[in-house]
Amino acid sequence: DVKVTQSSRYLVKRTGEKVFLECVQDMDHENMFWYRQDPGLGLRLIYFSYDVKMKEKGDIPEGYSVSREKKERFSLILESASTNQTSMYLCASSYPGLPKDTQYFGPGTRLTVL
Amino acid sequence: GQQLNQSPQSMFIQEGEDVSMNCTSSSIFNTWLWYKQDPGEGPVLLIALYKAGELTSNGRLTAQFGITRKDSFLNISASIPSDVGIYFCAGQKWGNTPLVFGKGTRLSVIA
Repeated sequence: DVKVTQSSRYLVKRTGEKVFLECVQDMDHENMFWYRQDPGLGLRLIYFSYDVKMKEKGDIPEGYSVSREKKERFSLILESASTNQTSMYLCASSYPGLPKDTQYFGPGTRLTVL
Repeated sequence: GQQLNQSPQSMFIQEGEDVSMNCTSSSIFNTWLWYKQDPGEGPVLLIALYKAGELTSNGRLTAQFGITRKDSFLNISASIPSDVGIYFCAGQKWGNTPLVFGKGTRLSVIA
């Protein structure tokens, strides 16, 4: 079974702090993704990566950055956390190419910024 | 960014009833996926559809890939309390591009 793990289930940070959210997958997937989920807005793509040291902006990259130094690990960084970044953050991974290109999600990190 | 139009936004149904939800798009997608998210968890893949017209079942769940490639629906038969959660549709235009998600359908089942 594919396993995607996220470093924390719940996180509380203060405005202005630098926040690191870590995601690790154990299935040698090339692709990794970061989403945020807010009520009524569904899943919105922040950043994604198709390979080590490679990153692409998603739909809402402002205020975030990412790092992919190893294939299995994809980190989301909030350089200076703000209250409007309070959200559920979901990491996902996939193996490229049809018909197997389906995403597997981690359990999510619920981040509260005070 | 683009999002799929998913409806209904929420549903309250009696246990044992059938459920239907759908997803539409103004553009063509070559893969349609349906995910379920339990409270406090990440989404889990239910059904994947890869061909226009395809009808696929997974237990009490049935999903179809629309002929026009612009829509998909999910049916749940004889609902049970553990069907509660948020159901998301997702589409992919071609291989190795990010998925586009709907906003979700929140299902509540009344015993």
